[in-house]
Amino acid sequence: GAVVSQHPSWVICKSGTSVKIECRSLDFQATTMFWYRQFPKQSLMLMATSNEGSKATYEQGVEKDKFLINHASLTLSTLTVTSAHPEDSSFYICSVWGNNEQFFGPGTRLTVL
Amino acid sequence: GDSVTQMEGPVTLSEEAFLTINCTYTATGYPSLFWYVQYPGEGLQLLLKATKADDKGSNKGFEATYRKETTSFHLEKGSVQVSDSAVYFCALRETGGFKTIFGAGTRLFVKA
Repeated sequence: GAVVSQHPSWVICKSGTSVKIECRSLDFQATTMFWYRQFPKQSLMLMATSNEGSKATYEQGVEKDKFLINHASLTLSTLTVTSAHPEDSSFYICSVWGNNEQFFGPGTRLTVL
Repeated sequence: GDSVTQMEGPVTLSEEAFLTINCTYTATGYPSLFWYVQYPGEGLQLLLKATKADDKGSNKGFEATYRKETTSFHLEKGSVQVSDSAVYFCALRETGGFKTIFGAGTRLFVKA
C-alpha cells in the first residue's frame, strides 16, 4: 500500500496566525488526496477532496477561504489554516487514493492558543 | 444521506475475551464496507473489508460479515490481546465513489 507522511506531526500556534500542514505520498503518485478533521473522541469528517492541478472540492460547511488546499504535484498536498483560532484546534488527517484503496497519513495535531 | 452507526465505547475487555463491536449502516446504493483501526499515535490502517452482501472480511483474527438484510457489519474477534487496544472505525464507500463515510469510532481497552 501507499506510504503517506504528514509534517508537522504537531504544531502549537498563536491565535490569528496561519499554519501550513504538508501531506506527502512517499511511494505513490496520488491524483486524488483527501483532508479530514477529527475532533477528540469523534469520527473523521471529510473537509475537502483535492485533485492534482485543479481546485479542491470542499464539503458543505467547510470554509474554503479559511482552509486553503493546494495539490500542486502528484506527491504533495498542503492544507493551510489561515488566521487560526482556538476552535480550529483539532487533529488533521490526509489521505491518498490509489489502487482502488484509501491510505491515511499519521495526522497532525494543531493547537491554537 | 449515507451514514454509519457503531456502538459507543470505550469497551474494556480482559485478554483472551471475545470481542464484538456493532456497526450498522444506511446507504442508498450498494456500498463497500470497511473496518479501520487507529493505534495510539498512528494513522488509520485498513483492517478488513467486504465489497458485497454475504462477503466476510478477515485479518489478524478479526472478521466481519456484510449483512445486507440487517444492514450490519459487526466486527468480531475470538480472543483479544493487549496489543489490540486501539480505536476501531466502521466505514462505507459507495461503489465507484471516492467518499468514505466513517462511524464515530469505538475505543477498545484490553487488560492483561
